[in-house]
Amino acid sequence: EDKVVQSPLSLVVHEGDTVTLNCSYEVTNFRSLLWYKQEKKAPTFLFMLTSSGIEKKSGRLSSILDKKELSSILNITATQTGDSAIYLCAVPYAGGTSYGKLTFGQGTILTVHP
Amino acid sequence: DVKVTQSSRYLVKRTGEKVFLECVQDMDHENMFWYRQDPGLGLRLIYFSYDVKMKEKGDIPEGYSVSREKKERFSLILESASTNQTSMYLCAIRTGGSDTQYFGPGTRLTVL
Repeated sequence: EDKVVQSPLSLVVHEGDTVTLNCSYEVTNFRSLLWYKQEKKAPTFLFMLTSSGIEKKSGRLSSILDKKELSSILNITATQTGDSAIYLCAVPYAGGTSYGKLTFGQGTILTVHP
Repeated sequence: DVKVTQSSRYLVKRTGEKVFLECVQDMDHENMFWYRQDPGLGLRLIYFSYDVKMKEKGDIPEGYSVSREKKERFSLILESASTNQTSMYLCAIRTGGSDTQYFGPGTRLTVL
């Protein structure tokens, strides 16, 4: 059974701080790892990391995949109050008719205070 | 842009009622998913469908059923709602061969 574990479960910082969120996984056939941001409503897609694309960056957010350690980190630099959200990590199952279904971690609740 | 809509944002039902949650996509995507989200547990897959009339159980299917009569519509059914089914329900679609899923706005269901 695929498993995804995120840490920490919650984090409180002040604006301007840099944060690192962790995601570790155990999957039968690794294909990719996805990061989502969820504010008040639906999760929105941030990054997808694969064996051929182990590092992604968008503005103040960046993510790295470590296939040896079976983990990924999401970094947010110079945090802003608008970064307050739940950050979710997920890995897809790659086999049979269940192809593409995602297993999610518990999520990290990030709170950024002014 | 991918568009996924859900029939209600908030819903309050009574124990024992039959509840229908609807999800509609505006494209021709084959894979559709229903998740529930609870604090500290992340998103858990209830059911998914990989084509019309085709469905598979996810990790927590007990107490739920689904229906997919048309490609654009995927319904989640609570046959007899119970208080432990109070949760946020999220529908998602998977586009083409990508692993990325796109989510609807969610339905917050309260069962009294």
